[in-house]
Amino acid sequence: GAGVSQTPSNKVTEKGKYVELRCDPISGHTALYWYRQSLGQGPEFLIYFQGTGAADDSGLPNDRFFAVRPEGSVSTLKIQRTERGDSAVYLCASSLRGLNTEAFFGQGTRLTVV
Amino acid sequence: AQTVTQSQPEMSVQEAETVTLSCTYDTSENNYYLFWYKQPPSRQMILVIRQEAYKQQNATENRFSVNFQKAAKSFSLKISDSQLGDTAMYFCAFMKRGGSEKLVFGKGTKLTVNP
Repeated sequence: GAGVSQTPSNKVTEKGKYVELRCDPISGHTALYWYRQSLGQGPEFLIYFQGTGAADDSGLPNDRFFAVRPEGSVSTLKIQRTERGDSAVYLCASSLRGLNTEAFFGQGTRLTVV
Repeated sequence: AQTVTQSQPEMSVQEAETVTLSCTYDTSENNYYLFWYKQPPSRQMILVIRQEAYKQQNATENRFSVNFQKAAKSFSLKISDSQLGDTAMYFCAFMKRGGSEKLVFGKGTKLTVNP
């Protein structure tokens, strides 16, 4: 596609439920990042994929958070047993690592846990 | 660990005037990039301007320019001839070259351009 696509745009879920957030990066971009942006804050790094592998998951807050990128393109961020504190905008970005340092962002998924 | 500080939570400017947004950062790295991103209400982060730390010359992109003071670890953004469409959140970000090349963001400055 022309840009990074994230679905859904908005997600409301009940506390304790499981959610999946999808990111479709720019075609050919090998690097993919997930960030979390809480209200009134800048985005915070969660996880980085180079191809299919999670090369850096140091930003994941706990083991309820997991992400995959099985074919090296689309990525899914999975959150188990959601808590109200997980409410935030989840941003995905992709880039051509090593050739161009510009990361292109999607419009994010606003997750609200009620 | 790197930190990025934006000390101005909100700023306003009249249309056609010039405004400067401040950013300081802390790092022990030598090889890094600095960025300014714009985030309108659509939530999509849009790259405004980029500075490579090894370049002494300040980056410019049309109405946007930076004042990069490496020794002081300061990276301010100047917007000239402000336009109503410049109204948005602006985030300063740091990226260390090598490794994951993840972005470390400041808390942002909300800029309002008034007609």
